[in-house]
This record gives sequence, structure tokens and C-alpha cells, in this order.
Amino acid sequence: DAGVIQSPRHEVTEMGQEVTLRCKPISGHDYLFWYRQTMMRGLELLIYFNNNVPIDDSGMPEDRFSAKMPNASFSTLKIQPSEPRDSAVYFCASRPDRNNEQFFGPGTRLTVL
Amino acid sequence: AQSVTQLDSQVPVFEEAPVELRCNYSSSVSVYLFWYVQYPNQGLQLLLKYLSGSTLVKGINGFEAEFNKSQTSFHLRKPSVHISDTAEYFCAVSERGNTDKLIFGTGTRLQVFP
Repeated sequence: DAGVIQSPRHEVTEMGQEVTLRCKPISGHDYLFWYRQTMMRGLELLIYFNNNVPIDDSGMPEDRFSAKMPNASFSTLKIQPSEPRDSAVYFCASRPDRNNEQFFGPGTRLTVL
Repeated sequence: AQSVTQLDSQVPVFEEAPVELRCNYSSSVSVYLFWYVQYPNQGLQLLLKYLSGSTLVKGINGFEAEFNKSQTSFHLRKPSVHISDTAEYFCAVSERGNTDKLIFGTGTRLQVFP
């Protein structure tokens, strides 16, 4: 079992550039979550999907952030334009059903200069 | 709404000593409780979870936690720590029957010294 796969692992970009983070959930998991981790705010849920449909995006900080899940095996989190305050570690997690724990990927460390 | 408090941001301990990492939660409804561990440059890994039943929950790597409803606590314990236990530990809570939204504490960094 490969676990949750995220790419890239590290991303350094300049302010104003578009950033796309990618996630492949564990096969058979119906739920996918995107989190952001910073020193100041800890671990925050940004958005989650059930069967590829966004269920709750209330954690998305602003319109510069968008997430898609075109199929059961792939999701993207896009930031356009990026800003230095977006620098954080972004985690993707998946879960088989409602009563199970979430399985986390290794994260993408984003640095916006 | 739920919230989680991890009072200790850092816990230094010597190898083979016992350790307790504290977690208190607040909720107006019944909850599920979790402990996750994050090793450097890695994602979060589930240590243990309380869903129902026995209030003493055993997890991986020799860790255990006890759910105390009256004190709204879910402290994590290990009788003898190892250098490899050095990591960040997160307590999390969700509404019972629905783990859609996990609310995480701010984390406790466990540093084990030889």
C-alpha cells in the first residue's frame, strides 16, 4: 500500500506566481482532505471532498485558493497568485469512510519569496 | 464546536523515563479522540484513537491513553521512552460518528535525551 502521495515535496516560488499542489489518495478511500500547517496557526482544515465532490470549503483562506478533485485518484490545491504568507506545509489526507481515521501524506513544504 | 488544548508545547525527558503528554478537550457533544505523531519532515501518523468502549486505549509503539469524560481529558502516556520517540504529538477531536472535521491541538514536542 503506497499511502497518500503528494507532489512536489518542496516548492519554492516567487510572490505572484501560481502554485499547484497535487495529491493521490489511498485507493478506495472516499474522502480527501487538504490541511495547512503553520507555526502560528497549527494544523487547519482547508477543504474536504467526498466522492470527488467538495463538501466544506469554509477553511479556504481566500479566493486565491482553489481545490479540485477531477477523479477518485487525484486532487489539486492551487494558489494564484501566491503570497509570502502562504508559506506553510500543506498536507493531504484520505479516509475510507466516516468512522475511520484520516491517513496523511508526507506534505508539501511551500516557500513563497 | 470542539476545541483541544495541549498545555505543554515542549516536554524534555531522558531515555527510559516515563512520559505523559496532556490533552484536554471541550465539546458540547460526544466526541471521538485521537493522538497523532509527526516525525521530522513527515506527515501525521495515527498513534491511537478512542471511539467507544474501554477508556484505556492502547496504540502503536507502546503508547496508551486514557479517556476521562469527567475531566474532559485524553492524556497520552508511555512507561519508558526511546530516543526514536522524539517527535511532535498532536491530540485531535471530532464529533462522535463524524470524523469529517478533526480539530487539532497545537502539538507537543517530545524531546528524548540519551
